[in-house]
Parts: sequence; structure tokens; C-alpha cells
Amino acid sequence: QKEVEQNSGPLSVPEGAIASLNCTYSDRVSQSFFWYRQYSGKSPELIMSIYSNGDKEDGRFTAQLNKASQYVSLLIRDSQPSDSATYLCASNGGGGNKLTFGTGTQLKVEL
Amino acid sequence: NAGVTQTPKFQVLKTGQSMTLQCAQDMNHNSMYWYRQDPGMGLRLIYYSASEGTTDKGEVPNGYNVSRLNKREFSLRLESAAPSQTSVYFCASSEAITGDYGYTFGSGTRLTVV
Repeated sequence: QKEVEQNSGPLSVPEGAIASLNCTYSDRVSQSFFWYRQYSGKSPELIMSIYSNGDKEDGRFTAQLNKASQYVSLLIRDSQPSDSATYLCASNGGGGNKLTFGTGTQLKVEL
Repeated sequence: NAGVTQTPKFQVLKTGQSMTLQCAQDMNHNSMYWYRQDPGMGLRLIYYSASEGTTDKGEVPNGYNVSRLNKREFSLRLESAAPSQTSVYFCASSEAITGDYGYTFGSGTRLTVV
């Protein structure tokens, strides 16, 4: 079982809608969680980090963490075509000093 | 520009050839990492260096070696390339050994082994 699981998608949302991306993790010792955005042919770019239960907002992005359910999510409000990318979830479980990544969810924002 | 620099960006090798992928960061980060990314497999850790002078195996180390030359530089060597090593390779660095602050990635090396 992979330590970080994501639905590969694609997830299609209309422009202006809220995109909801989900991630589950298996290692209960995980303390830090990250969302990366990766455009096709480019490298991953860190967009959000979250360490405590609850919500963390940064502009149009909100990360949500529920450690009891071992669940992390990313909400993107007012989705734009430029948000079309693959979103990678990562945690520092399984060893502490390295990140484990999910396989990513492809998001398509349609005009 | 500050960040992680990888060279080369593209490379084609014949089976059995060797090569070294170079990575340098100028953010004074302690930890550095090499990942490979394959379709449907996501990012998989090859080797990492938690701090200068140390290196450790990751999830898929077979066929690779690494050298942490100094705090800035972390190289990945393929001694005898195989078609299964065709992939996109990313170097990354992190401020904290625990990875608490996330990684900064280089732009990647696209390697094809024929």
C-alpha cells in the first residue's frame, strides 16, 4: 500500500468553481503535509504546507488537515484555466527526514 | 536566481554508458534529494543526503550512486545505464533535515536510455 494516495483524475471543473483535491496517508507519525503544483513538463512547485488539524488559507487556496481520519485536502476557489495542472500531495511520514509523494491528481479548469 | 540548478536538462544515453547528473543549490539548505518521476508512479526517492557528509538510500537506489560533494552540491551517477532508467530526474533541497519546510525542486533532467 502506497503511503500517500490520491485519485489520479482528471478532475474537471468550470472556470470560477471550487476545485477540491483529496489525499489520504497511511503513516500516523506523519507531521507535515504539503501540496505541490506541477505543470506539464515542469518541476513541482510548493503551494501550501499544513502541520496542524484544521484549515489554512492562502489567497485562493485552502489546505485542510484531519489527522484522525488521515486526510488532507486542497480547495481552490475561483478556479482559473491557469490552475490546470497536476497537484501532488506529500507527507514526511515513513522516516521523518524525507517526503513521500502521492501520484498526483490532474486538474482541468474548463472555460 | 536563487534555487536549485540541475544539469544537463536533456540527455540521451546508450545502454551501458555512464553519466553523472549534477545538482547545486544556493539556499544554504542542509538536505538534498534525488527523485525520479515516471508516468503513473509519481515521484520516487532514489537517494538523499540529510546533511553534508551523509547519504542514504531511498525507495529505488539500485543502479545509482550519489556524492554529496559539499553543502551546495549533490550528484547522481548512473554507472551502466539501462532502458529502465529512462525517466525524469529531479533534484531537491530542504532547509530542515526533517523536511518540515518542504522541498525546492530543480528544473529536472529528462534522460532517455536507448
